[in-house]
Amino acid sequence: DAGVIQSPRHEVTEMGQEVTLRCKPISGHNSLFWYRQTMMRGLELLIYFNNNVPIDDSGMPEDRFSAKMPNASFSTLKIQPSEPRDSAVYFCASSFGRGGYNEKLFFGSGTQLSVL
Amino acid sequence: GQQVMQIPQYQHVQEGEDFTTYCNSSTTLSNIQWYKQRPGGHPVFLIQLVKSGEVKKQKRLTFQFGEAKKNSSLHITATQTTDVGTYFCAASGSARQLTFGSGTQLTVLP
Repeated sequence: DAGVIQSPRHEVTEMGQEVTLRCKPISGHNSLFWYRQTMMRGLELLIYFNNNVPIDDSGMPEDRFSAKMPNASFSTLKIQPSEPRDSAVYFCASSFGRGGYNEKLFFGSGTQLSVL
Repeated sequence: GQQVMQIPQYQHVQEGEDFTTYCNSSTTLSNIQWYKQRPGGHPVFLIQLVKSGEVKKQKRLTFQFGEAKKNSSLHITATQTTDVGTYFCAASGSARQLTFGSGTQLTVLP
């Protein structure tokens, strides 16, 4: 299995621009998570889906952030408009199960986002 | 969500020395997971502990879950340069959602 696939690996954009991050979970996994990692705040859960349905989006910072999962093999995280404080590494992870606390997470390689 | 404190934040050891990182919570945890993230890499699952007082070993790594299920530790015996990275605990309590600790960044000096 190729693992969780994220694209792009690096994204540099200017403040105010729209940014779309993409994720393909491991085939057969039915839970998908979006995390953000920064030096200051560590690994933060933004949102997670189970069977393509958003279950908990309480970690989404504000309305500028939105996430979708149109099917079992694809998810996007969109930031519009982007701001310099959004600069971080964004990880997608998937698991087999209901997205519960006792499931092993498989992380993608992440997208390094820099907003200038 | 569940708050877990992880210490130390940084640890430098000489190759061959032992290393321990600790994860502490003020409330009882349902379970705890440990992940390793190599520099520039992504977190990789190491292990999960569920039972009170549980001890698991993976080669030179020993994982413990406290009797009260409020703390956990990861101990590496005789570190090697391949052990370099950041070790995270991730725990859940009543919220039933995983919360990651701040991580311990391990540097192994050859």
